[in-house]
Amino acid sequence: NAGVMQNPRHLVRRRGQEARLRCSPMKGHSHVYWYRQLPEEGLKFMVYLQKENIIDESGMPKERFSAEFPKEGPSILRIQQVVRGDSAAYFCASSQPGLANEQFFGPGTRLTVL
Amino acid sequence: RKEVEQDPGPFNVPEGATVAFNCTYSNSASQSFFWYRQDCRKEPKLLMSVYSSGNEDGRFTAQLNRASQYISLLIRDSKLSDSATYLCVVNSGGSYIPTFGRGTSLIVHP
Repeated sequence: NAGVMQNPRHLVRRRGQEARLRCSPMKGHSHVYWYRQLPEEGLKFMVYLQKENIIDESGMPKERFSAEFPKEGPSILRIQQVVRGDSAAYFCASSQPGLANEQFFGPGTRLTVL
Repeated sequence: RKEVEQDPGPFNVPEGATVAFNCTYSNSASQSFFWYRQDCRKEPKLLMSVYSSGNEDGRFTAQLNRASQYISLLIRDSKLSDSATYLCVVNSGGSYIPTFGRGTSLIVHP
């Protein structure tokens, strides 16, 4: 029973390049959340998706960032024209439908922008 | 006032000690509460849910005080392996989005 999977685990990009982070939720989970965690800081919500639908993207920067969760395949968090300030750990979590359901996290992708 | 506040610590305790953390929340409509554990450079993992009646799981006890708007986590007989950051998570009523506290760091030493 595989848990939440994320890849790559580590990603290095130069300023101006694009970063694509992938997340496959746990089996049976249809809800995906993306979070960002800066060093020594807490988790910050970015976006909440269901299959083919963005439910809430209030935590995502308006420019350069986008997310999708297609009918087939993993959820993708895409960061265009990366800047040094984008360097962080990006965690994906999945849950079953429902307001109070527990979230299960993937191992994260550590993005480093040179 | 931040939505979810935690004392960042670190709490530095010897093995075998009992330690407690509190977490305050500002939204009185909050409905569900959780404690997560996060080890250094790892993902958060669910430790336990916090129910109105309290919740105990082995050496861990979580409690909710709605009147004062805080939840607590008590760890008895601390082990070296309990060293981690403990995250308080609150879901407000009507919201799909949980709010994470910044975490409380616990260091258990021999």
